[in-house]
Amino acid sequence: AAGVIQSPRHLIKEKRETATLKCYPIPRHDTVYWYQQGPGQDPQFLISFYEKMQSDKGSIPDRFSAQQFSDYHSELNMSSLELGDSALYFCASGPPGQGYEQYFGPGTRLTVT
Amino acid sequence: GENVEQHPSTLSVQEGDSAVIKCTYSDSASNYFPWYKQELGKRPQLIIDIRSNVGEKKDQRIAVTLNKTAKHFSLHITETQPEDSAVYFCAASMGPGGYNKLIFGAGTRLAVHP
Repeated sequence: AAGVIQSPRHLIKEKRETATLKCYPIPRHDTVYWYQQGPGQDPQFLISFYEKMQSDKGSIPDRFSAQQFSDYHSELNMSSLELGDSALYFCASGPPGQGYEQYFGPGTRLTVT
Repeated sequence: GENVEQHPSTLSVQEGDSAVIKCTYSDSASNYFPWYKQELGKRPQLIIDIRSNVGEKKDQRIAVTLNKTAKHFSLHITETQPEDSAVYFCAASMGPGGYNKLIFGAGTRLAVHP
């Protein structure tokens, strides 16, 4: 079965640079969620999109923005990167019909030096 | 605000024993409770979930129970195997889907010793 695809899998950036993370949900899933997971921590909700509209916002810095496109893929844009932004960034997708489940992608490991 | 507490933080069992992980949630409006298994450096994997209109759900060696009155839910793993070793996260959310961000517990590191 097709799963959530995230790219890139690994990303190394310097402080103050920008990064763009991409997420391709499971086919026919219409909801995308972004989570940030620091080392040894639980995933923290950043932002979500339902039918291409932002549906909820969590602890996402103003330096970050995201959107969901017409083909339902989503991009997380991160600017003015800080050392503390180093983390695993997961995208999850949810099934149509306002299904409850969330299926996680493999994540993007962002390292800011 | 929404909060999920998870206990214990670490759990060590012998192969074949049972393991129980417990979580409590703060928001009485929460209506969906998934459990995720995460191996080091990998994605959280949904292993079982329960909705608020159900008290118990079982899938082979794993089961989840929910007590809405007490606002707590538990994961039970029977006949544990070394490959069950991982970090387990409970989570809670308020439906409907499309708007139900997950609030995670802090995780339980389960070690199953042969």
